[in-house]
Amino acid sequence: AQKITQTQPGMFVQEKEAVTLDCTYDTSDQSYGLFWYKQPSSGEMIFLIYQGSYDEQNATEGRYSLNFQKARKSANLVISASQLGDSAMYFCAMREGLTAGNKLTFGGGTRVLVKP
Amino acid sequence: GAVVSQHPSWVICKSGTSVKIECRSLDFQATTMFWYRQFPKQSLMLMATSNEGSKATYEQGVEKDKFLINHASLTLSTLTVTSAHPEDSSFYICSARDSNKETQYFGPGTRLLVL
Repeated sequence: AQKITQTQPGMFVQEKEAVTLDCTYDTSDQSYGLFWYKQPSSGEMIFLIYQGSYDEQNATEGRYSLNFQKARKSANLVISASQLGDSAMYFCAMREGLTAGNKLTFGGGTRVLVKP
Repeated sequence: GAVVSQHPSWVICKSGTSVKIECRSLDFQATTMFWYRQFPKQSLMLMATSNEGSKATYEQGVEKDKFLINHASLTLSTLTVTSAHPEDSSFYICSARDSNKETQYFGPGTRLLVL
């Protein structure tokens, strides 16, 4: 069963505007972590933001914020003031349990293209 | 920040040969490393979890005899694709767990093309 779902295969966004990337997850664990990564065409995986299941506040990192709705099991990424360099693939991932030794499961990804 | 390297970054080989990919944690000790495979326009799929000093744990459907993993030290894990075939052509990415920080860091990936 798919544990991480990203329903948007691709999105266009105008430069300087905000964009929301959807991510829903499925787990029976109470302890888990949610991640967003950016993958540019070079292939490297760039860590953007992390939300733990017990974190009461939504995580923020600069222009990135995570809209964590635990009851809905969603962890949407919001990128504010989009820049041309934000064009890339974006992956949502979940780690069941809170230790880094546990494996990550990735969603299918969303390709974002920022238009000038 | 922590750095994970992979070598080689690109490899082209003939069908039937074996290819070794190295994953190194450069400034931290990694008791656990993970190997992922990513086909074009697809997501990352975990192949195996590599634990220092013990056998790797493979995900369902991944042939352990074809994808040999060795994690002989706290800073190095290797993935050997044995008798590579064109269908093994893919992007292979490792990540390493920094046990002091409870964080995983990804390597830059290795593109394998089997002719």
